[in-house]
Amino acid sequence: EPEVTQTPSHQVTQMGQEVILRCVPISNHLYFYWYRQILGQKVEFLVSFYNNEISEKSEIFDDQFSVERPDGSNFTLKIRSTKLEDSAMYFCASGWAYNEQFFGPGTRLTVL
Amino acid sequence: GESVGLHLPTLSVQEGDNSIINCAYSNSASDYFIWYKQESGKGPQFIIDIRSNMDKRQGQRVTVLLNKTVKHLSLQIAATQPGDSAVYFCAENADSNTGNQFYFGTGTSLTVIP
Repeated sequence: EPEVTQTPSHQVTQMGQEVILRCVPISNHLYFYWYRQILGQKVEFLVSFYNNEISEKSEIFDDQFSVERPDGSNFTLKIRSTKLEDSAMYFCASGWAYNEQFFGPGTRLTVL
Repeated sequence: GESVGLHLPTLSVQEGDNSIINCAYSNSASDYFIWYKQESGKGPQFIIDIRSNMDKRQGQRVTVLLNKTVKHLSLQIAATQPGDSAVYFCAENADSNTGNQFYFGTGTSLTVIP
């Protein structure tokens, strides 16, 4: 069964550094998402992406964040200058329809 | 965003018993809801969904009930098994025809006792 994959599984970085989290959505899915989950807290929506552009973003998704679908298979989340509070699990999701979301296993980001 | 919360943060049940996990939502405009299961170290996994024009939907061993009057959602798991042990989230969408931003609840941790 196809599934969303994410790399790396764990990323450790220094505060102020740039990180790129990578996701390979399920083939032929049209909608792509990033969520984050701070330890012990709710899953929070960051951004949705459709037709090669951002369709929705939350207030969390500020200028430090960007997304890209560089080659038709990967979907990346870039954090330009990481802060301590960016430490969280980051989940990628994809779907055929706007209300369908299959989640990846997540990348644990630790900012020191 | 509107809040989506869970009444019980933890729930323990005996194997074979039925489980009921509850969720309250506050946005009366929400019209689409999903229950997710999250096992340790994994991403959320879709279990079942329901639209606001329904009050009940059944899947395999799971039933979701929606009470729009009191803005309450529940997930019933029949004959709970050890593999059902996980954190369960409800998520709501307030514009299921165009929007794809979901708001998640905090989660209920279900432990199945063999």
